[in-house]
Amino acid sequence: ETGVTQTPRHLVMGMTNKKSLKCEQHLGHNAMYWYKQSAKKPLELMFVYSLEERVENNSVPSRFSPECPNSSHLFLHLHTLQPEDSALYLCASSQSLDQETQYFGPGTRLLVL
Amino acid sequence: GQNIDQPTEMTATEGAIVQINCTYQTSGFNGLFWYQQHAGEAPTFLSYNVLDGLEEKGRFSSFLSRSKGYSYLLLKELQMKDSASYLCAVGGFSGGYNKLIFGAGTRLAVHP
Repeated sequence: ETGVTQTPRHLVMGMTNKKSLKCEQHLGHNAMYWYKQSAKKPLELMFVYSLEERVENNSVPSRFSPECPNSSHLFLHLHTLQPEDSALYLCASSQSLDQETQYFGPGTRLLVL
Repeated sequence: GQNIDQPTEMTATEGAIVQINCTYQTSGFNGLFWYQQHAGEAPTFLSYNVLDGLEEKGRFSSFLSRSKGYSYLLLKELQMKDSASYLCAVGGFSGGYNKLIFGAGTRLAVHP
C-alpha cells in the first residue's frame, strides 16, 4: 500500500537539532493528520489540516510545527525536542473531514537523544 | 469524557477463532473502526460499523452495539500473519469535524 508515504522512516536527533518529517498522499484526499504513537499508548492526534488550512492543534508543544503547502503534502518541523518526544509519528489522510476512514502512512520512528 | 478499553494482549492458535472486545464511552458517536497494525508498519483499515449488528468481510467480522458502547472484532481461521496489534477507534463529531479516538490496541500473538 503506497497511498500515503512518509520520509524518513527512521530518525535519530539530538535535542538541539532541527529536522523535518515529510508526508505525501497519492489518494486525492483533502484532509491530512499527524499522530504520535508511543509504546503501549493510544494514538494521539496532534494536528489536522483540511484543504491546507489547520483545523486542529491538539495542545501540542510549539517545538512541533506543522506545515501543509498543498493538499498532498504535510510536514512536521521539529526543533529542540525532548527525549520524551521519541515515538512513532504517523501521518494519515481522509477524503474530507466528513469522511471518517483515515489511511495511514508507515510512520517515522523518531529517537531523541 | 471519551474512553476506549480493549485488552492489552491475547494469544490464539493457528486455525482457531479469536474475538477482540472493545468498550467505549464517547459523545457524538459517529462510527467505530478497527485497524490492524503489524510491528513497525502503518495501521491498515479493517472495518467500519455505524449501525448495530455484524459486518462480515472474509475471515474478519466486526460487531457493534451502540446502546452498550461495545464492539468486537472476530477473526476466523487464524493464520500466523494475523499476529499484529488491533486498534479500536471511535469516530465522533467534535470541534467541527469527525475525530478518531483510538484505544491502546490489542496485541494478538498467533502460535502454531
